[in-house]
Amino acid sequence: GENVEQHPSTLSVQEGDSAVIKCTYSDSASNYFPWYKQELGKRPQLIIDIRSNVGEKKDQRIAVTLNKTAKHFSLHITETQPEDSAVYFCAPLGGNDMRFGAGTRLTVKP
Amino acid sequence: NAGVTQTPKFRILKIGQSMTLQCTQDMNHNYMYWYRQDPGMGLKLIYYSVGAGITDKGEVPNGYNVSRSTTEDFPLRLELAAPSQTSVYFCASSLQLSPLHFGNGTRLTVT
Repeated sequence: GENVEQHPSTLSVQEGDSAVIKCTYSDSASNYFPWYKQELGKRPQLIIDIRSNVGEKKDQRIAVTLNKTAKHFSLHITETQPEDSAVYFCAPLGGNDMRFGAGTRLTVKP
Repeated sequence: NAGVTQTPKFRILKIGQSMTLQCTQDMNHNYMYWYRQDPGMGLKLIYYSVGAGITDKGEVPNGYNVSRSTTEDFPLRLELAAPSQTSVYFCASSLQLSPLHFGNGTRLTVT
């Protein structure tokens, strides 16, 4: 199965700053790269995803960039707001078993 | 569409008891997954299925069993519950290479 690493494990930023979370994977056959957000006590929900034929995708304040050669992809959040505080998970998919990174706890201080 | 429905929401088991966590989806998704999430930790894949009649082990399958007799249902069976199985269990479904749709989870305590 896929080996997935996320960095950093915790991230604290001031409101309005940017946040970047990096996900490294091992399976060169991976071709689907989602990011999920999980608020306290709730289920994970998709916030953005990218497929292997695209290098970057943006949705308002959120973007994902993919470097297939180096086998990593990153989540970028600009103009952070307190409601962005949550745990973020990457889950690169190569085969059929979707495995998650260990998560990054983002705290946005007002 | 109800999406992914998990029952029960909460359950307390005694050591050695057995139970089945139910999961059903109405989106005609081929792929279904079971994850467990320990407090403050990430999601670990227990079992998954790519279609009716097909199941495969994930990262942490020991102590669990699954079946997939229909596209809609993917129950998770715990035999001989142990305190180490205290966790929140999430069921999810998807199409191929598509986002996971999660249920609301089942909070299980084994004492």
